[in-house]
Amino acid sequence: DTGVSQDPRHKITKRGQNVTFRCDPISEHNRLYWYRQTLGQGPEFLTYFQNEAQLEKSRLLSDRFSAERPKGSFSTLEIQRTEQGDSAMYLCASSLGGGRALSPRNEQFFGPGTRLTVL
Amino acid sequence: GQSLEQPSEVTAVEGAIVQINCTYQTSGFYGLSWYQQHDGGAPTFLSYNGLDGLEETGRFSSFLSRSDSYGYLLLQELQMKDSASYFCAVSLNYGGATNKLIFGTGTLLAVQP
Repeated sequence: DTGVSQDPRHKITKRGQNVTFRCDPISEHNRLYWYRQTLGQGPEFLTYFQNEAQLEKSRLLSDRFSAERPKGSFSTLEIQRTEQGDSAMYLCASSLGGGRALSPRNEQFFGPGTRLTVL
Repeated sequence: GQSLEQPSEVTAVEGAIVQINCTYQTSGFYGLSWYQQHDGGAPTFLSYNGLDGLEETGRFSSFLSRSDSYGYLLLQELQMKDSASYFCAVSLNYGGATNKLIFGTGTLLAVQP
């Protein structure tokens, strides 16, 4: 396993269109996170899964955003009716952990990201 | 709300030592991490402090003072390849159910020959 992968790496779309991104985490990792990063800023937390359960969703995530992790493996992030403000790098990360047995190092492994441009 | 502050830019020369500071105001604090991100690349983990004190990993060290809500990343024997953005990130923990990261705005380190 070479790490977290994301597809596509780049996506250009027109305002109003729907887009879907895929993330494949490191195979044994039960936790999966989505972040959004704009130029000159740090990644912003969007949502988090433990196995197939979506446990937290940021208030940044409007109703146009939805994420799934149907079998506790890969995850998809869909943005409906895209807006120019959605243009950003969408990062996926995965880690080991569960309940109170948090990884001492709390290390999250990030994928290369999907760069979305909304015209 | 949650906020982290770090300098926006730091410049240093090859072989030098540089310290990047981070102060934070958060609730549910669990630990402080540091990530490196090269231009166009993915963030990669450098170091983590769950307890007060110094953690050393090769040329990189990180320090945490929970009472001061302060930490720093120390990079020694700087190399050109260390030119990158460095982010501090707070792990939030609410009853052990999540360890999401809240990132600072990043410090752009430029290493000059």
